[in-house]
Amino acid sequence: KQEVTQIPAALSVPEGENLVLNCSFTDSAIYNLQWFRQDPGKGLTSLLLIQSSQREQTSGRLNASLDKSSGRSTLYIAASQPGDSATYLCAALSGGYNKLIFGAGTRLAVHP
Amino acid sequence: DVKVTQSSRYLVKRTGEKVFLECVQDMDHENMFWYRQDPGLGLRLIYFSYDVKMKEKGDIPEGYSVSREKKERFSLILESASTNQTSMYLCASSSWTGGGHFGDGTRLSIL
Repeated sequence: KQEVTQIPAALSVPEGENLVLNCSFTDSAIYNLQWFRQDPGKGLTSLLLIQSSQREQTSGRLNASLDKSSGRSTLYIAASQPGDSATYLCAALSGGYNKLIFGAGTRLAVHP
Repeated sequence: DVKVTQSSRYLVKRTGEKVFLECVQDMDHENMFWYRQDPGLGLRLIYFSYDVKMKEKGDIPEGYSVSREKKERFSLILESASTNQTSMYLCASSSWTGGGHFGDGTRLSIL
């Protein structure tokens, strides 16, 4: 059974710092790994999708990497801003029916 | 862009009522999912469907059922609502190789 873990559970940093959020998964037989952002009381917004054959994806200040062999993905946020404050979730698409399995999330607070 | 639309943002119902939550996607995705999200428990999969009229139980299916009569629509049904089903409900869709796309969520309160 696929299990997804995110570390740290919460993070508070001053504006301008570069950040690394970690995601690990137990079953390397994934189709893809996806990072989401969730603002309080809202749905999930997709940030980056890494297919199983890829090593990384970039969008603006965000960069996500995938290492299937070690069961890890990282989300790198450059030059953090207060507007980046949100919960970040990773999800592995795996299993015979392509279920999305989520980690518990990292709650990020960026203060001015 | 993919659009996943949930019928209500907020919903208040009474215990014992039969409750329907509707979800529609516009990208012809094969897979559709219903999750509930509670503080400290994260996102938990209730049911998912990989084709019309097909459904599979997720991690917490008790007290729920689903219906998928058309490819674009996936309904979650609370057969007899109870207070412990008060939660945020999130619908998602995906293709077999693509990523998941979520609706805005329905915050359901059972009184």
